Amino acid sequence: QKEVEQDPGPLSVPEGAIVSLNCTYSNSAFQYFMWYRQYSRKGPELLMYTYSSGNKEDGRFTAQVDKSSKYISLFIRDSQPSDSATYLCAMSEGRDDKIIFGKGTRLHILP
Amino acid sequence: GAVVSQHPSRVICKSGTSVKIECRSLDFQATTMFWYRQFPKQSLMLMATSNEGSKATYEQGVEKDKFLINHASLTLSTLTVTSAHPEDSSFYICSARGVQGASGYTFGSGTRLTVV
Repeated sequence: QKEVEQDPGPLSVPEGAIVSLNCTYSNSAFQYFMWYRQYSRKGPELLMYTYSSGNKEDGRFTAQVDKSSKYISLFIRDSQPSDSATYLCAMSEGRDDKIIFGKGTRLHILP
Repeated sequence: GAVVSQHPSRVICKSGTSVKIECRSLDFQATTMFWYRQFPKQSLMLMATSNEGSKATYEQGVEKDKFLINHASLTLSTLTVTSAHPEDSSFYICSARGVQGASGYTFGSGTRLTVV
């Protein structure tokens, strides 16, 4: 079993819909959880960063972490065509430890 | 916000030649820089971690003599792909970490290397 599992998609949803992106992981020592957005041929940019379990909201984005289930989610409300990108989940054990990435989910928001 | 500049964005080279990729933190001091490789539709695979002034730590399976990393200052790290071969063609991305730990990783825009 890989450390971090993420459905590669592609996921296509109509504009305005709520998008749900998910990752599962096997390492119970992970404590820092991140979501990155990567546009084609560009480097990833940090969207959300959470520590331990719980929810975090930032504008149209909500990140959820359920450590008991080893499951993290990213919700995008009122999705826009500009949200079309690859979304990578990432996690690490400690603040300064190596980050492990999921494969990324390709998201297409249809106008 | 923190900015990491990576150059070149795209390079095509002949098999057997060497290619150098630069990664600069523009507005912060990067205590640690990371080099990743990404194949199409695949995740970022960490190649090596470098701290300023010390030797890079390579991940298992990464040839340190082939992928030379130099972190000469707190704002510059370079990756040199030596004697490149077509199988080295990939997307290489650097990231730099300042003092904020996991939340403080900033990525460069990546370098598309094509070896012909």
